[in-house]
Amino acid sequence: DAGVIQSPRHEVTEMGQEVTLRCKPISGHNSLFWYRQTMMRGLELLIYFNNNVPIDDSGMPEDRFSAKMPNASFSTLKIQPSEPRDSAVYFCASGPGNSYEQYFGPGTRLTVT
Amino acid sequence: AQSVTQLGSHVSVSEGALVLLRCNYSSSVPPYLFWYVQYPNQGLQLLLKYTTGATLVKGINGFEAEFKKSETSFHLTKPSAHMSDAAEYFCAVSGVKAAGNKLTFGGGTRVLVKP
Repeated sequence: DAGVIQSPRHEVTEMGQEVTLRCKPISGHNSLFWYRQTMMRGLELLIYFNNNVPIDDSGMPEDRFSAKMPNASFSTLKIQPSEPRDSAVYFCASGPGNSYEQYFGPGTRLTVT
Repeated sequence: AQSVTQLGSHVSVSEGALVLLRCNYSSSVPPYLFWYVQYPNQGLQLLLKYTTGATLVKGINGFEAEFKKSETSFHLTKPSAHMSDAAEYFCAVSGVKAAGNKLTFGGGTRVLVKP
């Protein structure tokens, strides 16, 4: 069974450009989480969804960040406009709704120059 | 609110020696506790979990952890370190059910295994 799929795996962009990260959760999972990981701040929860509905977006750093989950098999995290301090590894994780377990994707390494 | 403290951001052990990673948590409700491992350039992978029942839980790759309510701890151990155990380890605690099924992660402990 395929795990969580994220694309792209690597993204290099210039400051001011729009960036869209994509995630396909494990089939049957109804919770989806977006995290950001940096050396300075560690692992941060940005936003999570339950049954495609955003439950807690208090971790989204600012209005430049937005996330959507139009259906149970797809989610996006968008940064517009991007800034160098957004450089990080972004992880998507999914989990079955009756459990706290989370299954992580391989991450997208974002570099903003 | 839930919180997790991992004592020591870096731990160095010799191959064959005991691995001990410390995790203390704070929770307003009976917690579910997790350890995750992250190998270089990969996502986090579930190592083991405690939900209810037996307080000593076994995970993959020979790791185990013991839930001690009185000490609010969930330390991770492995009797004999292997070179392949070099990775970063994260302890996590569940939240209040009404807030959804998110986890609160500790800051991580990076393990270096010396030959």
